[in-house]
Amino acid sequence: GAVVSQHPSWVICKSGTSVKIECRSLDFQATTMFWYRQFPKQSLMLMATSNEGSKATYEQGVEKDKFLINHASLTLSTLTVTSAHPEDSSFYICSAQRGPRVGTGELFFGEGSRLTVL
Amino acid sequence: TQLLEQSPQFLSIQEGENLTVYCNSSSVFSSLQWYRQEPGEGPVLLVTVVTGGEVKKLKRLTFQFGDARKDSSLHITAAQPGDTGLYLCAGVPSGTYKYIFGTGTRLKVLA
Repeated sequence: GAVVSQHPSWVICKSGTSVKIECRSLDFQATTMFWYRQFPKQSLMLMATSNEGSKATYEQGVEKDKFLINHASLTLSTLTVTSAHPEDSSFYICSAQRGPRVGTGELFFGEGSRLTVL
Repeated sequence: TQLLEQSPQFLSIQEGENLTVYCNSSSVFSSLQWYRQEPGEGPVLLVTVVTGGEVKKLKRLTFQFGDARKDSSLHITAAQPGDTGLYLCAGVPSGTYKYIFGTGTRLKVLA
């Protein structure tokens, strides 16, 4: 099956620093990628929809200047948490869509990245 | 506003018992997916239901899509400890291009 890889799988950083998380589709091209945030014992909350070559669409309440998303190629999207603070600590998961139509079920998930901000 | 509500939120049962998880929405979905997630990992796709009224079986798991394509259910027969995990329904509400997840059901099966 298709593979989506996230890196790093876990990161610890100091408050005020920026952290970049990469999401790669390894064996298919992904026009659309989704970024989610998951708090302990909760479901996945959609943060933004990332489209290759255009600006990401952020969900209400998600600060676009705080969570920078870049989808520069069909196989790579990055999420940068800028000036991270302890409240940004969370599990971040990306997913990549294979195929042109959203919701067809051809959605593949990365392994997730656990961010801890001290 | 959470478009996909799951119930129950938590469920703790004994091995061998049956259970049903519900996923409800006021929106229509062209398809719904069910996932299971282990701690510290990404969700793993279990099934996709597409047609209203559709029933799919995956070993001891039975999935049903509502006739109006607004709801779905997951039934587990003779639950085993290995079924423990977070179960999530997900899909794209009609009129949007956002892939959203349900509120989740955390299942614990005791040996």
